[in-house]
Amino acid sequence: DTAVSQTPKYLVTQMGNDKSIKCEQNLGHDTMYWYKQDSKKFLKIMFSYNNKELIINETVPNRFSPKSPDKAHLNLHINSLELGDSAVYFCASSQDFGDSAYGYTFGSGTRLTVV
Amino acid sequence: GQNIDQPTEMTATEGAIVQINCTYQTSGFNGLFWYQQHAGEAPTFLSYNVLDGLEEKGRFSSFLSRSKGYSYLLLKELQMKDSASYLCAVLRGDYKLSFGAGTTVTVRA
Repeated sequence: DTAVSQTPKYLVTQMGNDKSIKCEQNLGHDTMYWYKQDSKKFLKIMFSYNNKELIINETVPNRFSPKSPDKAHLNLHINSLELGDSAVYFCASSQDFGDSAYGYTFGSGTRLTVV
Repeated sequence: GQNIDQPTEMTATEGAIVQINCTYQTSGFNGLFWYQQHAGEAPTFLSYNVLDGLEEKGRFSSFLSRSKGYSYLLLKELQMKDSASYLCAVLRGDYKLSFGAGTTVTVRA
């Protein structure tokens, strides 16, 4: 039973398209995150929601828009895709914002390739 | 701002011990994590240190010195399945988790 699941696992699309990635967690956690891992393997925080409320919004182009319909779901919509958006996008969750002892649980990632 | 440094690559032999160092300079500090990431997979939680000292969990141990901005992950009795990337991550004062670039460990037979 997957704790943090995201779909799709792979996404290949053309420049200029709009696409969405979905994430769901069944851990009962209050906080969810989107991270981007680029070709140099750096994991960078993009957004965080705590109980459906946006609490972290890093310097990300406004073509990226997160949506959290409830605390178990956090989706990422990307408009007008660019080549530089190609990366692996990881969803993660934690018990609460700032909760440390148990770490974050990551989804398996969505490999986005923009051609 | 933040700066988290760890070596890019390390190679070791099966059964050996490897120590991965991590130094950091961050705005505030609420703890340090180590994650393991196999190629093409999600990072998985290994350890968390917030107080100085050594935390041991089976074959893996993690050490923290807050005054030196330094941590290490010690992998003992290396197995082939330990070949992976090991990510050092700092929970900053604003509770954002910032990652280093990771250290790729290759275990040879």
